[in-house]
Amino acid sequence: EAGVAQSPRYKIIEKRQSVAFWCNPISGHATLYWYQQILGQGPKLLIQFQNNGVVDDSQLPKDRFSAERLKGVDSTLKIQPAKLEDSAVYLCASSLEGTGNTGELFFGEGSRLTVL
Amino acid sequence: DAKTTQPPSMDCAEGRAANLPCNHSTISGNEYVYWYRQIHSQGPQYIIHGLKNNETNEMASLIITEDRKSSTLILPHATLRDTAVYYCIVRGSGTYKYIFGTGTRLKVLA
Repeated sequence: EAGVAQSPRYKIIEKRQSVAFWCNPISGHATLYWYQQILGQGPKLLIQFQNNGVVDDSQLPKDRFSAERLKGVDSTLKIQPAKLEDSAVYLCASSLEGTGNTGELFFGEGSRLTVL
Repeated sequence: DAKTTQPPSMDCAEGRAANLPCNHSTISGNEYVYWYRQIHSQGPQYIIHGLKNNETNEMASLIITEDRKSSTLILPHATLRDTAVYYCIVRGSGTYKYIFGTGTRLKVLA
C-alpha cells in the first residue's frame, strides 16, 4: 500500500513570508497528525485530526500556524508569517485505530523548512 | 499524558543485545507503552508496543516491569543499521495522542 505522502520535501523562504505543506495520509486512516521536529529534538505534536475534526491543537501557535483537513483526507499546514525559529522538519503521520489494530503511526518523509 | 525518561545516548557492540531503558513512573492503568525509532533524515518508525505483558516481534522484545513503571526495549542482535534515536512513548487507550520526548541515541559500533 502507498505510504504517507508529503510535499514539498524542501522549502527555503525568508522570514515574514508564508509557506504551505501538504499531506496525503494512507487510505482509510482516520487520524492525521502534524509534528514539528527541530534539529536535535524529538517531534513535537502540533495538531491531531480525527477525520476532519480537530482533536488536539494545544501546541499549535495559532497566531501564525493554521491547519485544515477538508473532507477528512488530505491536510494542509500553513505558516504565515514565518519566523527564523520555524526552521524545522514538518512531519505528517496517520494511523488506523480500532479493535485489532496496533494504532501505530505511519510517518511521511517530512518537509524540511529553512527560514532565512 | 504520562511522561517518559530515557538516557540521552548509548553505545552497543555489533552483534550484541542492545537494552534500552525507559522510565514511566506516572503511567496509569489504561496507558500503553510504544517504542519508535528514527533513523537519520527519516520519519519515526514503529517498533513495538505493550500494555502489561512482555511482547516480542520480528524487530525487538519489550519487557515491562510488573508495576509498569519502567520498560526495556531489547534488540537481540544489534547491527549497524540499528543506529538511530529510539523513543519511548506512553499513550492513552482512547486519545491516540503520541507525545515524543528526546529519546535515546543508540550507536552500534563495529
